[in-house]
Amino acid sequence: KNEVEQSPQNLTAQEGEFITINCSYSVGISALHWLQQHPGGGIVSLFMLSSGKKKHGRLIATINIQEKHSSLHITASHPRDSAVYICAVLPPLSGSARQLTFGSGTQLTVLP
Amino acid sequence: EAQVTQNPRYLITVTGKKLTVTCSQNMNHEYMSWYRQDPGLGLRQIYYSMNVEVTDKGDVPEGYKVSRKEKRNFPLILESPSPNQTSLYFCASSLIGRVGNEQFFGPGTRLTVL
Repeated sequence: KNEVEQSPQNLTAQEGEFITINCSYSVGISALHWLQQHPGGGIVSLFMLSSGKKKHGRLIATINIQEKHSSLHITASHPRDSAVYICAVLPPLSGSARQLTFGSGTQLTVLP
Repeated sequence: EAQVTQNPRYLITVTGKKLTVTCSQNMNHEYMSWYRQDPGLGLRQIYYSMNVEVTDKGDVPEGYKVSRKEKRNFPLILESPSPNQTSLYFCASSLIGRVGNEQFFGPGTRLTVL
């Protein structure tokens, strides 16, 4: 079973700061998801990566398959970015297995 | 609007009283899944389904049942709920691709079992 670790667990930043959240996993994967959970509880998918880098607005996600590591970056952070950020990994394709394994999440608070 | 809906959103029940949480998606997704989220334990997968009549256990299936008789619906059944099933439950769906696809989550169901 894949072990997924996120760091830091909690992060407080000032508005405008550049933020990095890290995710490491122990076993090879086919894809990695970054999710955002709002204070109200709803979960939104931010990115799905299998290699390289993706960018959406102020958010950038990278993955290094060889090092089993992914990062989520937020540029010019804003208080509305305050949320829990969760990474989740999908195992290599084998039969019908599609079990996601989740990290414990990073609580981000951006202060005005 | 593309969405995943769950009902009810909030439920308080008593031990042993059978309940069903419904999940429906309007995106023609093959893959559907149920997760529970608990403080300190994060999200854990309960059951998932790759298509109609195809379901499989996740990490924490004990005490739950599911069925997938139609592509759009994936109900979660608690035959005899117990207090340790008090949790926040999420349903999600996605297309099935070679390397996976974006997951769409429902709004969550907060269940309390007394």
